[in-house]
Amino acid sequence: GAVVSQHPSRVICKSGTSVKIECRSLDFQATTMFWYRQFPKQSLMLMATSNEGSKATYEQGVEKDKFLINHASLTLSTLTVTSAHPEDSSFYICSASGQNTGELFFGEGSRLTVL
Amino acid sequence: GDSVTQMEGPVTLSEEAFLTINCTYTATGYPSLFWYVQYPGEGLQLLLKATKADDKGSNKGFEATYRKETTSFHLEKGSVQVSDSAVYFCALSDRSGSRLTFGEGTQLTVNP
Repeated sequence: GAVVSQHPSRVICKSGTSVKIECRSLDFQATTMFWYRQFPKQSLMLMATSNEGSKATYEQGVEKDKFLINHASLTLSTLTVTSAHPEDSSFYICSASGQNTGELFFGEGSRLTVL
Repeated sequence: GDSVTQMEGPVTLSEEAFLTINCTYTATGYPSLFWYVQYPGEGLQLLLKATKADDKGSNKGFEATYRKETTSFHLEKGSVQVSDSAVYFCALSDRSGSRLTFGEGTQLTVNP
């Protein structure tokens, strides 16, 4: 089946630094990718929707200057957490929608810890 | 807006027990409904889905029926296994079929 891979799976950084998380569709072209944030024991919260070659659409309450999303190709989207702070520590998950079926495939998630 | 409410966890069962995880939703129109499963250390995987009222989704012994009259999509399995231990998420999609709204997730632990 279709595979979506995230990298890194875990990252620890110091407060004030920026962290980039990659989301790749390995065997299909993803016209649309979604970024979610998951807090412990809570549901996934949609942060933004990105379409290849255009600006991401952010959900209400999500700071677009804080969470930079780039979907430069049909197989890669990146989420950059800028000037990270401890409250940004979370599990970030991406999903990708295939061109033909529209079915969603999820990455393994990336756990960010900001010290 | 759209919302999904799941039965609170965690749920702990013995192997071969019957499983029910309740899920109710609020949505405009006629959403598609999904159950996703997240095994430890892995991403979400689609378990089953139903796209219209009275449809039954099934996979790996799990079933859920789209009940429009009760706005529910409860997940059931007749005999759980240790390998079913995971977090289960109920979700609905908007008309595009891609934008998902998730429930809170229910942690299931099955003991041998």
